[in-house]
Amino acid sequence: AQSVSQHNHHVILSEAASLELGCNYSYGGTVNLFWYVQYPGQHLQLLLKYFSGDPLVKGIKGFEAEFIKSKFSFNLRKPSVQWSDTAEYFCAVIPSGGYQKVTFGIGTKLQVIP
Amino acid sequence: GAGVSQSPSNKVTEKGKDVELRCDPISGHTALYWYRQRLGQGLEFLIYFQGNSAPDKSGLPSDRFSAERTGESVSTLTIQRTQQEDSAVYLCAIQIQGSPGEQYFGPGTRLTVT
Repeated sequence: AQSVSQHNHHVILSEAASLELGCNYSYGGTVNLFWYVQYPGQHLQLLLKYFSGDPLVKGIKGFEAEFIKSKFSFNLRKPSVQWSDTAEYFCAVIPSGGYQKVTFGIGTKLQVIP
Repeated sequence: GAGVSQSPSNKVTEKGKDVELRCDPISGHTALYWYRQRLGQGLEFLIYFQGNSAPDKSGLPSDRFSAERTGESVSTLTIQRTQQEDSAVYLCAIQIQGSPGEQYFGPGTRLTVT
């Protein structure tokens, strides 16, 4: 079965700082990868996804993530965070093809200080 | 999120009582998940329905928890003899055809057991 680990549980940054949230997964085959975000008081929503092709994927609000297959990683990045990026971020993985279960990481709380 | 509603939005119940939480997804979804999100913790997978296959119940924490899905529509999560540690937000999420792993979340039901 697959698993996902997110290394940083709570990150505090000042506005304009750069962000990188780590995500590693374990699974022997090909996978689809996701980052979800939950803003305070709002639903969980998709931030970006990787299925195949260019390993650098861009999502909403200036976020991007890079799939590095050799490292089983899918780190989330943003060059300059804003106060409105304060949220909880979840990495998720599902084996490609067929009917499989999505596995989420424990989440990372990001607090951006104005 | 669009396409998934949950009811009630909030439920306060006394320890030992049974509760039933409802998820109303849009038609045409391919999979339906229930998750639990306790205060300060990540997403905890509970159960997963995929087509006509037997549900994956591997995440249910005890036999007090059960879930059903009516055809490919409404799902109910039932917690019997509630305990204080059951207090959490219970989230329903769906997947749609053509985008395996991409999930659309409902607003959740906040359950408080007193």
